[in-house]
Amino acid sequence: QEKVQQSPESLIVPEGAMVSLNCSFSDSASQSIWWYQQHPGKGPKALISIFSNGNKKEGRLTVYLNRASLHVSLHIKDSQPSDSAVYLCAVRGSNYKLTFGKGTLLTVTP
Amino acid sequence: DAGVTQTPRHEVAEKGQTIILKCEPVSGHNDLFWYRQTKIQGLELLSYFRSKSLMEDGGAFKDRFKAEMLNSSFSTLKIQPTEPKDSAVYLCASSLWGSSYEQYFGPGTRLTVL
Repeated sequence: QEKVQQSPESLIVPEGAMVSLNCSFSDSASQSIWWYQQHPGKGPKALISIFSNGNKKEGRLTVYLNRASLHVSLHIKDSQPSDSAVYLCAVRGSNYKLTFGKGTLLTVTP
Repeated sequence: DAGVTQTPRHEVAEKGQTIILKCEPVSGHNDLFWYRQTKIQGLELLSYFRSKSLMEDGGAFKDRFKAEMLNSSFSTLKIQPTEPKDSAVYLCASSLWGSSYEQYFGPGTRLTVL
């Protein structure tokens, strides 16, 4: 069974800082890794996904995947107070299923 | 385009009651998922439908949880009988099989069992 671990559990940064979130997973045969953002009282919303080793950039977001070390990270450049949310790492296995980590609570202070 | 709709947004039940949660997926999506979210366990998959066929019935959640997909645009999750440990947020998500597999989530139903 796939296991997904996220760190840190919570993070407080000042506005404009670079944010780095980490995620490790257990199945090297996983298909793709997703990052979701969840604001209080809302459902998760997909931000970015990656399948191949290496990095992928979309706007202020960059994700790095290292399949050898079973590690993926999300970096948010120039963080804004509106980025304050829970960030969930989700791994899509060789079947259809997404396995989620427990999330990192990000607070960006003005 | 309308997103995933869930009703009710909040539900309070007495222990032992039967409750039914409702979900309308994104139009045209053929995969539908029910999840339970708690602070301790995070997001746990309860059921998964593909083109209205039940693909996964939730393993440990089988006994008192039953999801149905009555048509391609409507699904229900019945919990019978409810227990206080069922207090959680129940999320419905849909996706289009064969595309990006991105799951679109509804706002969730917060269930409190007294």
